[in-house]
Amino acid sequence: KQEVTQIPAALSVPEGENLVLNCSFTDSAIYNLQWFRQDPGKGLTSLLLIQSSQREQTSGRLNASLDKSSGRSTLYIAASQPGDSATYLCAVRNTNAGKSTFGDGTTLTVKP
Amino acid sequence: EAQVTQNPRYLITVTGKKLTVTCSQNMNHEYMSWYRQDPGLGLRQIYYSMNVEVTDKGDVPEGYKVSRKEKRNFPLILESPSPNQTSLYFCASSFGDHPNEKLFFGSGTQLSVL
Repeated sequence: KQEVTQIPAALSVPEGENLVLNCSFTDSAIYNLQWFRQDPGKGLTSLLLIQSSQREQTSGRLNASLDKSSGRSTLYIAASQPGDSATYLCAVRNTNAGKSTFGDGTTLTVKP
Repeated sequence: EAQVTQNPRYLITVTGKKLTVTCSQNMNHEYMSWYRQDPGLGLRQIYYSMNVEVTDKGDVPEGYKVSRKEKRNFPLILESPSPNQTSLYFCASSFGDHPNEKLFFGSGTQLSVL
C-alpha cells in the first residue's frame, strides 16, 4: 500500500526566503506525482505535475523535482511572498491507475 | 471554463436521511473520484470511476454509494448518513490513462450530520 509523508507539517518563514517542501513515498512504481495548493476551506489547485519519466518541472517561482529511486519529491519556492501562505499537498498516482494517495500536507506561513 | 462543479457547497442534515452530493465536469474526463478530508487524517479516497458504468472502491467506501451513468456526472450517495460522515468532501476528475494528466478538484462540500 502506497504511503505518502510530508515533512515538515508546518513551516513559517519571513517574506523573501527560499524554501523547500518535502514529500516521500514508499512505492516507487508511480505514474505521476502532483503538487497542490489548498487555501483554508477551499478546494485544491494544481501547481505542478511530474510524470514518472521526468526529473523536474518548473512554473514561475516553483520548481518540483522527483527522485523515484529514493521515493522523494521536493517543491522549491523561490522568493516567498505572504500570498504563498497555504497548505501544500503532494499526491502520488500509482501505476495501476485510478488511485491517488495524498500526503497530509505542509502548512506554510510567509510573514511580511 | 473547464471546471469540476460540486453541489451543494454546504449541507447540514440529520442521521439517517438519505442525501446526494452531485459532481459534474465539463472536460470530457474519463476518470472521476470522491475524497473526504478530515483533520489529522488528510485526504482519503472513497470511490473512483475509470469510465461510464465502471466504479471501484477507494480506501474508505463504507457507507457510501456512487454511480456513473453519464461521463460528466459522478454523484455521491449517502443512503443513511451518520455523524462520522461529517467531513469536507471533494470530487476530482482527469483524463484516463496518461501520466501527464492533472487531477482537477471541485470546490468541496462541507457536510454536517447531526
